[in-house]
Amino acid sequence: ETGVTQTPRHLVMGMTNKKSLKCEQHLGHNAMYWYKQSAKKPLELMFVYSLEERVENNSVPSRFSPECPNSSHLFLHLHTLQPEDSALYLCASSPAGVAGGVNTGELFFGEGSRLTVL
Amino acid sequence: SQELEQSPQSLIVQEGKNLTINCTSSKTLYGLYWYKQKYGEGLIFLMMLQKGGEEKSHEKITAKLDEKKQQSSLHITASQPSHAGIYLCGADRRGFGNEKLTFGTGTRLTIIP
Repeated sequence: ETGVTQTPRHLVMGMTNKKSLKCEQHLGHNAMYWYKQSAKKPLELMFVYSLEERVENNSVPSRFSPECPNSSHLFLHLHTLQPEDSALYLCASSPAGVAGGVNTGELFFGEGSRLTVL
Repeated sequence: SQELEQSPQSLIVQEGKNLTINCTSSKTLYGLYWYKQKYGEGLIFLMMLQKGGEEKSHEKITAKLDEKKQQSSLHITASQPSHAGIYLCGADRRGFGNEKLTFGTGTRLTIIP
């Protein structure tokens, strides 16, 4: 058990669907992240939230919409996706946000949500 | 070309043998992080290196960062089946710590009996 829980673990959706990925952490961390992992490509940072404020948006298409209602929850809303968006989406958290805190160096990852877009 | 190169891309090693994985950046780094991933799962933090020439060990895994802070190696001694997985290096290129890491493509390690 990692302390970071992602749901659903697997998701299959059509290009016209709207779905959401959920991430929850019970570690008291103040920073949360979305990463995308595609086959044969490096892990890509998508979004960073620190103290519920988005501090990084790595040129991610608008069909991905993050939401961080509080420091324990992070969502990734998906709409009108493309087949090339099929990937493993990983959520992570850390004790230190951009706003401060102690950087222990460790990101705590969830087990990921495997997304397939048909 | 990738900003962070890992080599080899895959490695098959007989149980009990030693192995080394490399991670190279074209630019000096603020920090270098090693993670391990079981297939289709999340990443597990192994070690963080920040100082040139730094070396850290955890059980049978040793990681080093060169003096120029551009290259790191991960060495596993007397490999075991539990070491199998994908090893990824992550680089802090802008001084923001672990918050904005650039990752390599990973090295897939297979341990055979």
